[in-house]
Amino acid sequence: GESVGLHLPTLSVQEGDNSIINCAYSNSASDYFIWYKQESGKGPQFIIDIRSNMDKRQGQRVTVLLNKTVKHLSLQIAATQPGDSAVYFCAENGRRDDKIIFGKGTRLHILP
Amino acid sequence: KAGVTQTPRYLIKTRGQQVTLSCSPISGHRSVSWYQQTPGQGLQFLFEYFSETQRNKGNFPGRFSGRQFSNSRSEMNVSTLELGDSALYLCASSLTGADTGELFFGEGSRLTVL
Repeated sequence: GESVGLHLPTLSVQEGDNSIINCAYSNSASDYFIWYKQESGKGPQFIIDIRSNMDKRQGQRVTVLLNKTVKHLSLQIAATQPGDSAVYFCAENGRRDDKIIFGKGTRLHILP
Repeated sequence: KAGVTQTPRYLIKTRGQQVTLSCSPISGHRSVSWYQQTPGQGLQFLFEYFSETQRNKGNFPGRFSGRQFSNSRSEMNVSTLELGDSALYLCASSLTGADTGELFFGEGSRLTVL
């Protein structure tokens, strides 16, 4: 598959452990945030979203935390599995100009 | 239901040529947005179309253009190709708009400019 980012930060996690991927967003006016997962050779896939009136949202094995004070977003993946290996992007809607802005991405590497 | 379909998946062009990429959104989705993905710049927004109208545009030169048809299918065109245009071009469809709802991405069209 294609190389999504030669200089992406990489997080290596033991299979079965929990993963925490962090993201700093830029626009204090953003009110909608999304996490996407991109596997090699595929387009990004929606994981979970959160609106600015919430600080936590849970899905299946995933939790997103939003800290508006410090403009920080995190994705927690419980009991990480080999299939979780991918690049993870956070995105914000940058309310000022109605565009979706993607972060640079973090590569999650699962250790056996 | 069928996902977002992009064609062609791979193509090779030479500098100065032009290219047209096609995207068929999920049935019922009226928003189609386009992104350029490169190792150095990550995912960058090109433009969004909603009901045949360009709703928003990213910071790309005028060589990059797009359109949307009445059936919501979209095309993007890049004229006078440059080496730096080599990238994965991703299309995404959305029910409510690129900035307010979940985006459904296609697998992309990988363009190589020689």
